[in-house]
Amino acid sequence: QSVLTQPPSVSAPPGQRVTISCSGSSSNIGNNYVSWYQQLPGTAPKLLLYDNDKRPSGIPDRFSGSKSGTSATLAITGLQTGDEADYYCGTWDSGLSVYVFGTGTKVTVL
Amino acid sequence: EVQLVESGGGLVKPGGSLRLSCAAFGFTVSSFSFNWVRQTPGKGLEWVSSLSSRNYYMYYADSVKGRFTISRDDAKHSVYLQMNSLRADDTAVYYCARDMWGGNSGVYDIWGQGTMVIVSS
Repeated sequence: QSVLTQPPSVSAPPGQRVTISCSGSSSNIGNNYVSWYQQLPGTAPKLLLYDNDKRPSGIPDRFSGSKSGTSATLAITGLQTGDEADYYCGTWDSGLSVYVFGTGTKVTVL
Repeated sequence: EVQLVESGGGLVKPGGSLRLSCAAFGFTVSSFSFNWVRQTPGKGLEWVSSLSSRNYYMYYADSVKGRFTISRDDAKHSVYLQMNSLRADDTAVYYCARDMWGGNSGVYDIWGQGTMVIVSS
């Protein structure tokens, strides 16, 4: 059972902006960096953002992240059909000594 | 090319055992920590276990503690997950993932393609 809560789904037309929230607690998001992963249909997850807001090489700047307190947010601007995927936040939980993933959010481009 | 390739999945009866392997290519394995993450078809990601470089630490999810063992063989560029006392709810795709910074940063930058484990009689 995940300790990080995300909305099950978000959607918007092409070109628009969507945000995905990730809510946790002081033992996880509140005291650790957050990563975001994108999982396209039928493929393995891919690192999208790390350390709350850093993009690995090759990730476009349409993807951005932020963190405040015990919540983190992923924003996707200029939405494209290729962005249709499941998105997961993840971080270490210092209290439980486990890594935790969010419940996952499905992004649909209308 | 930097990549991870899992193998060893398959069909096993409840109570049985299976050993998953994760072979690394294109980088020096000894410098990194590794993790196993699983995903039940149609469901979310579940972290299973982590193993640091030089075996400094290993962690397990409560759901597998006492049944699964993570290990590594740097000379063979491989990481393993020994799974014993398997249950139906262990059925999932198992992914191997590299920790980007080598410690316990929780940044999984390289993932394998996954190997399917089905526990059923």
